[in-house]
Order: sequence, then C-alpha cells, then structure tokens
Amino acid sequence: QSVLTQPPSASGTPGQRVTISCSGSSSNIGINSVNWYQQLPGTAPKLLIYSNNQGPSGVPDRFSGSKSGTSASLAISGLQSEDEADYYCAAWDDSLDGVVFGGGTKLTVL
Amino acid sequence: EVQLVESGGGLVQPGGSLRLSCAASGFTLSSYCMSWVRQAPGKGLEWVANIKQDGSEKYYVDSVKGRFTISRDNAKNSLYLQMNSLRAEDTAVFYCAGSCPPRYWGQGTLVTVSS
Repeated sequence: QSVLTQPPSASGTPGQRVTISCSGSSSNIGINSVNWYQQLPGTAPKLLIYSNNQGPSGVPDRFSGSKSGTSASLAISGLQSEDEADYYCAAWDDSLDGVVFGGGTKLTVL
Repeated sequence: EVQLVESGGGLVQPGGSLRLSCAASGFTLSSYCMSWVRQAPGKGLEWVANIKQDGSEKYYVDSVKGRFTISRDNAKNSLYLQMNSLRAEDTAVFYCAGSCPPRYWGQGTLVTVSS
C-alpha cells in the first residue's frame, strides 16, 4: 500500500482534459513539494512536473500541476494517444526521511 | 545533458549479494541528494534508500534495513547500492535517481533473485 493515494486508472478521449489526483498527509504533501512522472511501457520514469507546478524544458505545456493542502493534481489538456502511460506522484516525507510515491495511475486514451 | 547509468544487476540466488553502481555525467553528483528506487515486475515505484549530498545521512525503506547499504563517491561522481541477503521479493528494476524526490533518472538495471 502506497503512502500517497492515486486512482488506479483514468481515461479520456483525444482532445479532452483529464485530471489525476494524489492524496497525502501533513508529513509529505502538506509541507513538501510534489513531482509527477510519466512512465511509458518498458522505459524509465520521466519527470513531468517538479515543485508542484513547474514544467521541465521539453515537456509540453499541456501538462500542468497544482497542490492544495495535502493533495495534488496533474492535469493533461488536449489529450493525445501518446499520453497513454502510467503516471506517478512523489514527495519527500519528513516522518520517513525518504521519498514516497503514489501507487500509479494508468491513463487510457479511448 | 544529464546521464545516470546503472550497472551491476543480474541473476543471483536467494541469500546472495550484488553491488549496483550508478555513474553520473553532465551532472554534479555532490550537489544532490541521491536515491535508489525500484520497480518490481508489473508493480509501481518504490523508494529504497537515499543519501544526503555529503553522505552524512542515509535512510532506507524498512524492508531493506540491515541488508542494503547506500554509498556515494562524489570524487568519482558515482552512487552505489550494496545488497546482501537478497530475497525473491527484491526482484525488480533498480533505478538510480538524482534529487529527492527525483528529477533525474537512470535507465534502470534488472535484479533477479531466483534459484
């Protein structure tokens, strides 16, 4: 069971906007920033969002992040078929002195 | 361009040992907290261990405490994970990751624990 809670699956049609949630606690998301990753089958995770809402260079601005209290969200607008992947959230946890991950959300583009 | 390249994975019998290495380039390892993250077949990401920039503090997930040791050599721009008393449930792809939580990832190295 993961420390951060994500829905196991999400779906949308091309062009739609989808949102993936990530719920934590006062020892992780509540006081630390959140990163989001995209993982395509058979590949390493790729950083999508860091520090809650910052996009690394090269990541389309269709991907955006936000945080409120002990929860965070990843939004993908203008959904494309190549967005079909697993998405993970992560944050530092002050109680564990380690990184905690969400269980991952499998995004299907219908 | 940042590159993290893991090596040292392979097939090992239960109870055996392996040492994973991670070589960094285009990246000043000494500036970052570093982590090892693993992913069992068909499962999600799991943090294994991390080490502060100067190596003074190290933390581990409970399931590997006393069996795994994380270390770093900033002069060689390298990160290591010594894994002893390996179990079948340690079978996973192990990723070297830069920054905590990670911003940079290696391509991963597969560790298979089986007789």
